[in-house]
Amino acid sequence: KAGVTQTPRYLIKTRGQQVTLSCSPISGHRSVSWYQQTPGQGLQFLFEYFSETQRNKGNFPGRFSGRQFSNSRSEMNVSTLELGDSALYLCASSARLAEYEQYFGPGTRLTVT
Amino acid sequence: LAKTTQPISMDSYEGQEVNITCSHNNIATNDYITWYQQFPSQGPRFIIQGYKTKVTNEVASLFIPADRKSSTLSLPRVSLSDTAVYYCLVGGGAGNMLTFGGGTRLMVKP
Repeated sequence: KAGVTQTPRYLIKTRGQQVTLSCSPISGHRSVSWYQQTPGQGLQFLFEYFSETQRNKGNFPGRFSGRQFSNSRSEMNVSTLELGDSALYLCASSARLAEYEQYFGPGTRLTVT
Repeated sequence: LAKTTQPISMDSYEGQEVNITCSHNNIATNDYITWYQQFPSQGPRFIIQGYKTKVTNEVASLFIPADRKSSTLSLPRVSLSDTAVYYCLVGGGAGNMLTFGGGTRLMVKP
């Protein structure tokens, strides 16, 4: 069974731009969560989607948004990028909502210059 | 909101048992405790999850006392390949915030 895939793997953007990251969960998994990982703040929860609905949200500004499609694939968008948004963005999937036996993708490394 | 703290680093030797403790004083009634392992340039990998008492699987055990304000991940007979960062995650009750600990960097020496 294929694992969680994330595209792109690496991305360089300029301050003020916006970016969209994509995540394809393990086949049959309906819950997708997003996390931000930085050396300073560690792993932080962004949001969780299940059946195309956002079910849970972390403490991030409204510039961070996401969505989930009917095939469970998910995207997250960051608008008006700031230098502090440079991070590894991780997507994880699980079979059910609020089940934290999650399977993580390799992440998208975003660098904002 | 559960504040989750772990030791920053630990050293061990091959063949020893390693216990990593996570403190989560404000854990909510319906929160679960989950542990992950992360190698450089990879996403975290699920190790074990529990709610209370003791859970054991083929790679680890998780001990949770009755007050659930802490949890201990136990890795039996570690090997060099267990050198990694270990994270505890608290949360998971529907609508509850998910909070990771800062991670414990485990170094296993020969």
